[in-house]
Amino acid sequence: NAGVTQTPKFRVLKTGQSMTLLCAQDMNHEYMYWYRQDPGMGLRLIHYSVGEGTTAKGEVPDGYNVSRLKKQNFLLGLESAAPSQTSVYFCASSYEWAQPQHFGDGTRLSIL
Amino acid sequence: KNEVEQSPQNLTAQEGEFITINCSYSVGISALHWLQQHPGGGIVSLFMLSSGKKKHGRLIATINIQEKHSSLHITASHPRDSAVYICAVRETSGSRLTFGEGTQLTVNP
Repeated sequence: NAGVTQTPKFRVLKTGQSMTLLCAQDMNHEYMYWYRQDPGMGLRLIHYSVGEGTTAKGEVPDGYNVSRLKKQNFLLGLESAAPSQTSVYFCASSYEWAQPQHFGDGTRLSIL
Repeated sequence: KNEVEQSPQNLTAQEGEFITINCSYSVGISALHWLQQHPGGGIVSLFMLSSGKKKHGRLIATINIQEKHSSLHITASHPRDSAVYICAVRETSGSRLTFGEGTQLTVNP
């Protein structure tokens, strides 16, 4: 049982490049989340989804887009990467909104 | 002032010691979570509690709703307990989780 799988694990981008981070979960969870983790700060919610075909903005959504075309997948896109988006990105999922979340192992993204 | 404050930020202990990590928050909450982030980066949920105390193995989590405070205790600490421990709260409004910065725990053999 893989749980929550994030790809890629590491990536280096140049400013202005675009990329997509993929999150896949095999637990049939309705809720999925994208967070970023920066030094000296707690995890911050970027976007989330309450079910297939739905997305919503979190605390820090600017510069990111998301899609949830299939229940098991939640994609995070950076259309034009900026150095301020250098961070570790975590995907998570949960069965219900108030239930504990299951996290992926993170994607370390550096933007030069 | 952050809504969720953890103390200490860093903690070094010797194997076998009893460890306490504290979490204070400033808002009304419906639940509090404790999570563990492994040195490799993966995050695991340890506890979700809204009152009283929960125990799992050598880990104990307590919460005092009136004082807006929670503690995570580790008994008979072991080097494999070395990790970042994160506190997160969900406000009574049901909004998103708000995370503390984490406590870096190092247990030396």
